[in-house]
Amino acid sequence: EPEVTQTPSHQVTQMGQEVILRCVPISNHLYFYWYRQILGQKVEFLVSFYNNEISEKSEIFDDQFSVERPDGSNFTLKIRSTKLEDSAMYFCASIGRGPKETQYFGPGTRLLVL
Amino acid sequence: DAKTTQPNSMESNEEEPVHLPCNHSTISGTDYIHWYRQLPSQGPEYVIHGLTSNVNNRMASLAIAEDRKSSTLILHRATLRDAAVYYCILTLGIQGAQKLVFGQGTRLTINP
Repeated sequence: EPEVTQTPSHQVTQMGQEVILRCVPISNHLYFYWYRQILGQKVEFLVSFYNNEISEKSEIFDDQFSVERPDGSNFTLKIRSTKLEDSAMYFCASIGRGPKETQYFGPGTRLLVL
Repeated sequence: DAKTTQPNSMESNEEEPVHLPCNHSTISGTDYIHWYRQLPSQGPEYVIHGLTSNVNNRMASLAIAEDRKSSTLILHRATLRDAAVYYCILTLGIQGAQKLVFGQGTRLTINP
């Protein structure tokens, strides 16, 4: 069964550093998402991406965040200058076209900002 | 986004059926009902979804009330691996590009 993959599985970084989280969505999917989950809290939507542009973003997704689909397979989330509060699990998801489709999530990247 | 209400937690025994309820009294005619679950230290996992009719798949069944204001996820024979947080989520069914709005979900505990 096709699946969404994410790398790295864990990342530790210093506050103020840039991090790039990578995702490979399911190959024929068209819509891509990033969500995050702070430890002990609920899963929160960050951004959705379609046709090489952001289709929706949450209040969390400020100027420090950016997304990119640099080639036909990867989908990345960049945090320019990490803060302590960016420590969380980051999940990538993708979905195909049509109302009967549903989102498939990757295993997540655990980001720890020190 | 239409809201859903779920119990915070439920407990069941292994090999018994589990019925997880969800209320969505403000559901609109085009909202799909999705169920996801999140096993410990994993990403959310799709379970099942439906619009009006009851649905079955290899993981579970979804029973949707006639007025669509509530639904029940049914695990026919729970195993220890089914211990997870279960989320009931509504999405507008017109397009595929719908963000998922997660609530707190129901934490299901399975006793051996």
